[in-house]
Amino acid sequence: AQTVTQSQPEMSVQEAETVTLSCTYDTSENNYYLFWYKQPPSRQMILVIRQEAYKQQNATENRFSVNFQKAAKSFSLKISDSQLGDTAMYFCAFMKHVSNTGNQFYFGTGTSLTVIP
Amino acid sequence: KAGVTQTPRYLIKTRGQQVTLSCSPISGHRSVSWYQQTPGQGLQFLFEYFSETQRNKGNFPGRFSGRQFSNSRSEMNVSTLELGDSALYLCASSLWTSGNTDTQYFGPGTRLTVL
Repeated sequence: AQTVTQSQPEMSVQEAETVTLSCTYDTSENNYYLFWYKQPPSRQMILVIRQEAYKQQNATENRFSVNFQKAAKSFSLKISDSQLGDTAMYFCAFMKHVSNTGNQFYFGTGTSLTVIP
Repeated sequence: KAGVTQTPRYLIKTRGQQVTLSCSPISGHRSVSWYQQTPGQGLQFLFEYFSETQRNKGNFPGRFSGRQFSNSRSEMNVSTLELGDSALYLCASSLWTSGNTDTQYFGPGTRLTVL
């Protein structure tokens, strides 16, 4: 079974600073995908960034980037130049692709990030 | 395109009652998944439907059931409600084409409170 662990239940960062959220996962699969989702206080979950396991290059989306360490099964999210709107719960997710039975998603328990003005 | 919509947004029920939640996926998306979100447990996968068939199922009792219609809209039903069923229920849809990476898009959720 796949497990996703987010060891930081809560974090805070000063506005304009950089923060890194940790995520580790456990799997025996070789082909999979990893995601970071953001859930602001309004509760709408939105995709922040995703990474294909077969790609060595770390994904980047504007101020958001990941540090993907496949051998260590680590997938951390770095937020640069933090903004007040980044305050949210962040979920790390693992997806295993199974060709005939669809994709199976596993989520971590989340990290609550507060950006302090 | 319109996003994933869920109705109702809020629901209050009493123990023993049953409830039906509805989810309309993004147009063209054929896969619909349901999750239960609670503060201590995070997101727990309930089940996934694709082409009107339940394709994957999480570890929840039989009181939780669902279905998907030909237009990909999905409903989730919880019978004999318990206090512990109080949670935010999230629906997510995805395009799902075989062999490709997939991204789930979430709805705003239905907040269920069981008294």
